[in-house]
Amino acid sequence: AQSVTQLGSHVSVSEGALVLLRCNYSSSVPPYLFWYVQYPNQGLQLLLKYTSAATLVKGINGFEAEFKKSETSFHLTKPSAHMSDAAEYFCAVSDPGNTDKLIFGTGTRLQVFP
Amino acid sequence: ETGVTQTPRHLVMGMTNKKSLKCEQHLGHNAMYWYKQSAKKPLELMFVYSLEERVENNSVPSRFSPECPNSSHLFLHLHTLQPEDSALYLCASSQDSREKDTQYFGPGTRLTVL
Repeated sequence: AQSVTQLGSHVSVSEGALVLLRCNYSSSVPPYLFWYVQYPNQGLQLLLKYTSAATLVKGINGFEAEFKKSETSFHLTKPSAHMSDAAEYFCAVSDPGNTDKLIFGTGTRLQVFP
Repeated sequence: ETGVTQTPRHLVMGMTNKKSLKCEQHLGHNAMYWYKQSAKKPLELMFVYSLEERVENNSVPSRFSPECPNSSHLFLHLHTLQPEDSALYLCASSQDSREKDTQYFGPGTRLTVL
């Protein structure tokens, strides 16, 4: 069965610093991978997704993620954090055995300090 | 209205009450989903509808009853809930229920069961 692990439930960075949010997955077949962001009192919004095209995926708000099959990872990065990036970030993997199911990680809360 | 809307945004109910959550999508999508988001737990998929037909029921207690009268509307009927059912309930929609389809989320209904 598919699963997703997000290392670090909380990450704190200074404004302007690199953002790195970690996501590792387990899958016996190439998965589809997603990063979603949730701002306070809002639903989830798609940042980017990998669907077996280019391994480096660029998303909205300056975020990008790289699919590394050898490391079973899909880490999310942003070169320079902004105060408005403070939110909760969720990594998710689709389940090839079940077209209807998206498996989510437990989330990483990003804090950005001035 | 655009995107996915949910009403009410907040709901407080007693264990003997009956209430309903409503979701509406204005995206022309064919698939709709109910998720439960509890603190420190991954999002839990509850139900999936594709073309108004329920295609997934993730071992959800019968006190939760979904209804999808058409492809734009999804309801979650609640009765005799328990305090542990308190959570954020998120609705989502996607073009179809294929594994690489992006899911678009509503803002959620914050449910408190007393």
